[in-house]
Amino acid sequence: GDSVTQMEGPVTLSEEAFLTINCTYTATGYPSLFWYVQYPGEGLQLLLKATKADDKGSNKGFEATYRKETTSFHLEKGSVQVSDSAVYFCALFYGNNRLAFGKGNQVVVIP
Amino acid sequence: DTGVSQDPRHKITKRGQNVTFRCDPISEHNRLYWYRQTLGQGPEFLTYFQNEAQLEKSRLLSDRFSAERPKGSFSTLEIQRTEQGDSAMYLCASSLGLFEGREKLFFGSGTQLSVL
Repeated sequence: GDSVTQMEGPVTLSEEAFLTINCTYTATGYPSLFWYVQYPGEGLQLLLKATKADDKGSNKGFEATYRKETTSFHLEKGSVQVSDSAVYFCALFYGNNRLAFGKGNQVVVIP
Repeated sequence: DTGVSQDPRHKITKRGQNVTFRCDPISEHNRLYWYRQTLGQGPEFLTYFQNEAQLEKSRLLSDRFSAERPKGSFSTLEIQRTEQGDSAMYLCASSLGLFEGREKLFFGSGTQLSVL
């Protein structure tokens, strides 16, 4: 079935470093793609989305481009802050009725 | 817009007991979803409602699980005869049912269930 795969393991980096979290998807059609973020003690929040190939979603300095040729939707931020420490989930919307999530990546930003 | 609220935030129960969780979606949203999240994993789809109709259930939703949304507003998720494997965070989400709005899910903070 339709699914997303995120890179394994937590990500630890220093403040102002460049962040990349990899996400690839498997889908029979052309799903919309999402990044959700979960801050400590809070619910999932939509960070950004892209609905078709070559679309770029952006929010709060984060960006991700829908790449159909590589079936990818990697999340990037040029200069992370301590406040970006959270768990990040890649997701796709399929079947007209649900989101499928990756396993998530814990990001820890050290001052 | 008060967001999606879930009650309780935490529930500790003994194996074999029944538990019920409640979700209040954003008021104008007609779609309501239940997901389950275990430690180190992403949320997994359980079921969803369009208004009061339960339109799809995952195979993860065993016969011990039942969800209702009687008036198309709040929803309840009941787990009967709980097992230790039911321990997880149960997430509720809602969305508008139309066009691109259906894809934008707003999540509650979840109910953390611990089965002893």
